[in-house]
Amino acid sequence: DIQMTQSPSSLSASVGDRVTITCRASQSISSYLNWYQQKPGKAPKLLIYAASSLQSGVPSRFSGSGSGTDFTLTISSLQPEDFATYYCQQSYSTCFTFGPGTKVDIK
Amino acid sequence: QVQLVESGGGVVQPGGSLRLSCAASGFTFSSYGMHWVRQAPGKGLEWVAFIRYDGSNKYYADSVKGRFTISRDNSKNTLYLQMNSLRAEDTAVYYCAKDWAYWGQGTLVTVSS
Repeated sequence: DIQMTQSPSSLSASVGDRVTITCRASQSISSYLNWYQQKPGKAPKLLIYAASSLQSGVPSRFSGSGSGTDFTLTISSLQPEDFATYYCQQSYSTCFTFGPGTKVDIK
Repeated sequence: QVQLVESGGGVVQPGGSLRLSCAASGFTFSSYGMHWVRQAPGKGLEWVAFIRYDGSNKYYADSVKGRFTISRDNSKNTLYLQMNSLRAEDTAVYYCAKDWAYWGQGTLVTVSS
């Protein structure tokens, strides 16, 4: 099975900061990589699909990049509503592994 | 608009069974594959199972293979997850999802004696 790792596991940031989260797959997954945002008590929300495509309705401050095994989610200017946990997920194989998550909280 | 509503969660003893349902509306259910994903309390997301649009192929996480069965009734626009031989580690909120863009609100399953 494909394993997904994320770094950091948590970070503290201020409103307006640029935030970068990385995700690594244990083998090449081409661009079959999704990013999600999840707030407590809520279902995950799809932000980015196919590594770099912005889901409809998601603010343009969110962007994704990468292919193969290394991927990045960037929030260009952190907003108060962005404090949440972020997950990557591979959809290359029919065992749709999620990363362990990155919690973004207020500094 | 797409709506997914899970039901069937509750408290069950270890070794017991439970069937979850996911009622779908707002799209042509019979044209889309569907997933179950779970999240244990305070933990991350874990994909559980996937079924193709016509039920022809089903895929499972190793952690539930042989114990859980995903199925669907396209005439009722409903997705199911039959969970047998439940263990404490199956305690989680269970979500159904379409296309990864649409998720239900989740239903809580607690396995405890």
